[in-house]
Amino acid sequence: EDQVTQSPEALRLQEGESSSLNCSYTVSGLRGLFWYRQDPGKGPEFLFTLYSAGEEKEKERLKATLTKKESFLHITAPKPEDSATYLCAVQLDRGSTLGRLYFGRGTQLTVWP
Amino acid sequence: EAGVAQSPRYKIIEKRQSVAFWCNPISGHATLYWYQQILGQGPKLLIQFQNNGVVDDSQLPKDRFSAERLKGVDSTLKIQPAKLEDSAVYLCASSLTRDSWNEQFFGPGTRLTVL
Repeated sequence: EDQVTQSPEALRLQEGESSSLNCSYTVSGLRGLFWYRQDPGKGPEFLFTLYSAGEEKEKERLKATLTKKESFLHITAPKPEDSATYLCAVQLDRGSTLGRLYFGRGTQLTVWP
Repeated sequence: EAGVAQSPRYKIIEKRQSVAFWCNPISGHATLYWYQQILGQGPKLLIQFQNNGVVDDSQLPKDRFSAERLKGVDSTLKIQPAKLEDSAVYLCASSLTRDSWNEQFFGPGTRLTVL
């Protein structure tokens, strides 16, 4: 059974304290792995897409990496405005369900001053 | 560029009542998705349209949920009759195509509470 597991469920960091969020997946036929940010009362906001092991992408204080079994979202020197729930999702290489994103439960990040 | 619009933002109904949600995707986006997000979980796809045709509804509870996308633009999702377990946020998303290199843009969602 295809699975996407995120850890930890919740993370509290002091401003400036770098850390990483984990997304592990057990799927066959990975087409792409996605990271989204979701603020309370809002829809998910796209951050990155990763396609193959070894790929890395960066945006401001965020850096996403991908291996054959997991992805990491590294947050360097976080600020309070980085507080949000970070969602990981995969898209599979199956014609009938192409486009469908399978989401993990998310990591709720709180950054305090 | 205008984002994905959804209405209403909030809805409270009693069980066994019916409810409908509306979505207006980003102009020019061929693919439209409806996701259900239960509190504390990630979104789960209910149905996917390519233009005005259904391409994936395998996870839609068809005995009570229905959706349509008229003229390949706006879409409505209906629940009839609603159950307590339908309480969730219903998210609409759109993308240029179904391919992974086209990101999905999400609307703000409709929060449904079934009493």
